[in-house]
Amino acid sequence: ETGVTQSPTHLIKTRGQQVTLRCSSQSGHNTVSWYQQALGQGPQFIFQYYREEENGRGNFPPRFSGLQFPNYSSELNVNALELDDSALYLCASSSSGGHTGELFFGEGSRLTVL
Amino acid sequence: SQQGEEDPQALSIQEGENATMNCSYKTSINNLQWYRQNSGRGLVHLILIRSNEREKHSGRLRVTLDTSKKSSSLLITASRAADTASYFCATDAGARSPSYGKLTFGQGTILTVHP
Repeated sequence: ETGVTQSPTHLIKTRGQQVTLRCSSQSGHNTVSWYQQALGQGPQFIFQYYREEENGRGNFPPRFSGLQFPNYSSELNVNALELDDSALYLCASSSSGGHTGELFFGEGSRLTVL
Repeated sequence: SQQGEEDPQALSIQEGENATMNCSYKTSINNLQWYRQNSGRGLVHLILIRSNEREKHSGRLRVTLDTSKKSSSLLITASRAADTASYFCATDAGARSPSYGKLTFGQGTILTVHP
């Protein structure tokens, strides 16, 4: 139990739609990172939020966007969904102060795009 | 894109045996981490080794790091059926150490431990 919660756990969308995924970070953690994990692959870094601003981005198009709120929770938004967006989306929280860099993951949101 | 490769892709052993998984990566790193994932659920952090460390232990886990070869290995001793999971290595290659979340993962090793 990492204390990181994600919602929804599963959802189905059709191509072209938009989706919002939510993440509550572990208490005391001010940094949230989002990862996409396609079936049979390792997670790929989408972006990170720190102090409500994007703090680094992986190789993902602008239709992937996010927010971080004052309570450090975060949202991942994906517009104009494509079939290849079907994946497990993982949120991970961490603290910028006094720790070595390990991440605490939620259980993920499994998105299916039809 | 993935930073590195893990070997083997799948490993099947009997309870009580040791399991060794290898990870190779491409760039200089600040640290390397190993994570475990059960059946497509969230990842659980197992162990972190810094670039200036060569070996680290945690319970039944032993991790080695060879920065000259850009490789790491994870050894699980006396495996149990409950160790059945996917295991991923992840590298932190941030400009500052650590980069607090910007990890590059390998493709993972699927470990099956038979009772």
